[in-house]
Amino acid sequence: AQSVTQPDIHITVSEGASLELRCNYSYGATPYLFWYVQSPGQGLQLLLKYFSGDTLVQGIKGFEAEFKRSQSSFNLRKPSVHWSDAAEYFCAVANTGGFKTIFGAGTRLFVKA
Amino acid sequence: GAGVSQSPSNKVTEKGKDVELRCDPISGHTALYWYRQSLGQGLEFLIYFQGNSAPDKSGLPSDRFSAERTGGSVSTLTIQRTQQEDSAVYLCASSPDTGELFFGEGSRLTVL
Repeated sequence: AQSVTQPDIHITVSEGASLELRCNYSYGATPYLFWYVQSPGQGLQLLLKYFSGDTLVQGIKGFEAEFKRSQSSFNLRKPSVHWSDAAEYFCAVANTGGFKTIFGAGTRLFVKA
Repeated sequence: GAGVSQSPSNKVTEKGKDVELRCDPISGHTALYWYRQSLGQGLEFLIYFQGNSAPDKSGLPSDRFSAERTGGSVSTLTIQRTQQEDSAVYLCASSPDTGELFFGEGSRLTVL
């Protein structure tokens, strides 16, 4: 069975600073990996996904993530954070084929002026 | 062309009552998922459907929880004899089998 760990419960960054949110997964085969964002009062939205191929994937809103098999990680990055990025971010893993998606506990991002 | 629709959006019930939560997925999506999100917590997997079948029910917390899907479309999550610990937001998502989940706004359940 797959599992996901997001080590940071919350992170605070200054507007304009870079961001990296950590995600580690456990799965025996090649996983499908995702990052979702949940803004206050809104539903969950897909930021980006990795199925195969290039290990650096680009997503919406200027986010990117890198799959590192050797570290079982799929960290999310953004070069310059905007105040509107304040939200909760969830890493998720699905088994091959994209079924039974399991989510991490989430990391809440605070952005200070 | 609507997204995933969930009803009711809010439900307040008394302990011991039964509740039904409904999910209308995006048309054509074959997979449907239920998750539970408690205050300040992540998304707890409950169950998923492929068509009308539920290959994995392992996330259902107890036998008070059940779910069904009919016609490969609408799904109902039923909680019998509700307890206060059942209070949470219940999220439904559908997927066209690409792995990407499209979420509804959720049903907020409060058990008094």
